[in-house]
Amino acid sequence: EAQVTQNPRYLITVTGKKLTVTCSQNMNHEYMSWYRQDPGLGLRQIYYSMNVEVTDKGDVPEGYKVSRKEKRNFPLILESPSPNQTSLYFCASSFLGGRNTEAFFGQGTRLTVV
Amino acid sequence: KQEVTQIPAALSVPEGENLVLNCSFTDSAIYNLQWFRQDPGKGLTSLLLIQSSQREQTSGRLNASLDKSSGRSTLYIAASQPGDSATYLCAVSAGGFKTIFGAGTRLFVKA
Repeated sequence: EAQVTQNPRYLITVTGKKLTVTCSQNMNHEYMSWYRQDPGLGLRQIYYSMNVEVTDKGDVPEGYKVSRKEKRNFPLILESPSPNQTSLYFCASSFLGGRNTEAFFGQGTRLTVV
Repeated sequence: KQEVTQIPAALSVPEGENLVLNCSFTDSAIYNLQWFRQDPGKGLTSLLLIQSSQREQTSGRLNASLDKSSGRSTLYIAASQPGDSATYLCAVSAGGFKTIFGAGTRLFVKA
């Protein structure tokens, strides 16, 4: 089954404790992206990647890091989480070119930083 | 800077009604536009994708149109059902491969 898998689904952590949210897709997509969703602000793009070892900043990259060492995986790293990073996070993937550029989303990771 | 606006922010209709959701964007240089559905606490489900060279796409009771020159897209839902109740989001992919989302329209269909 074609899917984007995020882990964990729920996470409560303390300020300053490094964490990683994993994202994996099984569709051989070139493009992967991370978003955060906050009430009243909608979905905002954090980072995206167009292929292995190619990443770029979205609209809200501060406080986040990403890596794309393999095509299927795109982890989101919070080196020193702060309470303002409490949010619902989504990973997405798609093909880059051609007609079939439909984006597929993971189920989300609800992060609380206390 | 690309901005995406969705109107209305919320909509309540009786079952069976046809309805239109609106999405507007400020920069017509887009790669594609996609409509999504999001149920409370869930991820996003893709409904329709319109490439920049296309004018519309249809899937079942859903029809999405795109007018790049005016910076507008509409999502038409025919014969609405209570199961259509959800938040509908539009997103544009533009140069540099960034994706910008609208804030969504929260739809409630009353039985």
